[in-house]
Amino acid sequence: ETGVTQTPRHLVMGMTNKKSLKCEQHLGHNAMYWYKQSAKKPLELMFVYNFKEQTENNSVPSRFSPECPNSSHLFLHLHTLQPEDSALYLCASSQGPSHQETQYFGPGTRLLVL
Amino acid sequence: DAKTTQPTSMDCAEGRAANLPCNHSTISGNEYVYWYRQIHSQGPQYIIHGLKNNETNEMASLIITEDRKSSTLILPHATLRDTAVYYCIVRVIYNTDKLIFGTGTRLQVFP
Repeated sequence: ETGVTQTPRHLVMGMTNKKSLKCEQHLGHNAMYWYKQSAKKPLELMFVYNFKEQTENNSVPSRFSPECPNSSHLFLHLHTLQPEDSALYLCASSQGPSHQETQYFGPGTRLLVL
Repeated sequence: DAKTTQPTSMDCAEGRAANLPCNHSTISGNEYVYWYRQIHSQGPQYIIHGLKNNETNEMASLIITEDRKSSTLILPHATLRDTAVYYCIVRVIYNTDKLIFGTGTRLQVFP
């Protein structure tokens, strides 16, 4: 257990569905992240939030919409996804962009888009 | 793009030391070397990090060459549960927490 939880752990959705991924951290951290890991590809950073403010959007398509209502919760809202969006979506948290702080990752949500 | 180069895969016998190399020849003076690992279908797990001195913790040791262009992660007594993909990452630590993952080294520990 890393102190970062993600729900659901598995999700199957159609291309016309709308769904949301949830991430919660119990570490008192100030920064949260979404990463995407497609099959046989490196982890890709999607979004970064510091103190609830988005500080990085790594050219992510608008069909992925993040929301950070407070420093402990992070959502990823999904709509009209494509089959190539099927991947493992990982959430992470850290104290923030400070000296040597490491990121703690959740277990991920494995998403299948049909 | 990742600034590190690692072998695609390595094998190690259980109980022996696993030495995982990483090249980071373009590393800057303000970049740290971080190591994470990812056990199948789980989130990455932090292992260790360092700037220029060798480091050791309960999980592993990190040896960084004097010119800082390469490093080696050492798991002193590998177990079957150490089978995972190991990522070497260089990271600038001021004003950003960005981690750029490469393809890593798949370590297989066998009995």
